[in-house]
Amino acid sequence: DSGVTQTPKHLITATGQRVTLRCSPRSGDLSVYWYQQSLDQGLQFLIQYYNGEERAKGNILERFSAQQFPDLHSELNLSSLELGDSALYFCASSVGTTIAGGLETQYFGPGTRLLVL
Amino acid sequence: AQTVTQSQPEMSVQEAETVTLSCTYDTSESDYYLFWYKQPPSRQMILVIRQEAYKQQNATENRFSVNFQKAAKSFSLKISDSQLGDAAMYFCAYRSRVMWAGTASKLTFGTGTRLQVTL
Repeated sequence: DSGVTQTPKHLITATGQRVTLRCSPRSGDLSVYWYQQSLDQGLQFLIQYYNGEERAKGNILERFSAQQFPDLHSELNLSSLELGDSALYFCASSVGTTIAGGLETQYFGPGTRLLVL
Repeated sequence: AQTVTQSQPEMSVQEAETVTLSCTYDTSESDYYLFWYKQPPSRQMILVIRQEAYKQQNATENRFSVNFQKAAKSFSLKISDSQLGDAAMYFCAYRSRVMWAGTASKLTFGTGTRLQVTL
């Protein structure tokens, strides 16, 4: 158990719908990352937050958005869903400081499996 | 931009034997970190081992060790005394060095190598 929690574990929805994925980082971790794992794209970085502020964006679609709340949990919102959005969505967290000399491990949650029908 | 390449889509090893998974990467940075993550059928991403680029000594974690060749931009994973529980997808990943708190620090992954362990 990494200490990162994600809900829900599974999500089945229809095209055109909107869903929200939730992530709670490990206690004390300030950075949260979202990754998408699909069959054709592999593991892709979507977005990073640090202490409530966006820090980096990857190939995240405009239909997708995220935020990190004051209690440090994060939500990933996916709207106007398409069949191709079906994937495993991971949240990861790390301490977010340079105490470890820059070598920070990202700990992954169990993922949310999204199926768009 | 950095890229990570895993040229072996699948590998097979007999129980108790040794196997080496290959990973190469491309970067113009001089300071960075490399990781191997394991993804078993449960789909959980589990850190196996990590290496700091400025350290010449290869990292070791029990039965897992790496062969880090910085000049060749190669980072292979050796699994000794393979066990049935080692069967999984293995991903090599790259991350730039973080200099400041909260700096952008995404992981760039390879496409993975599926390891089968046979009796």
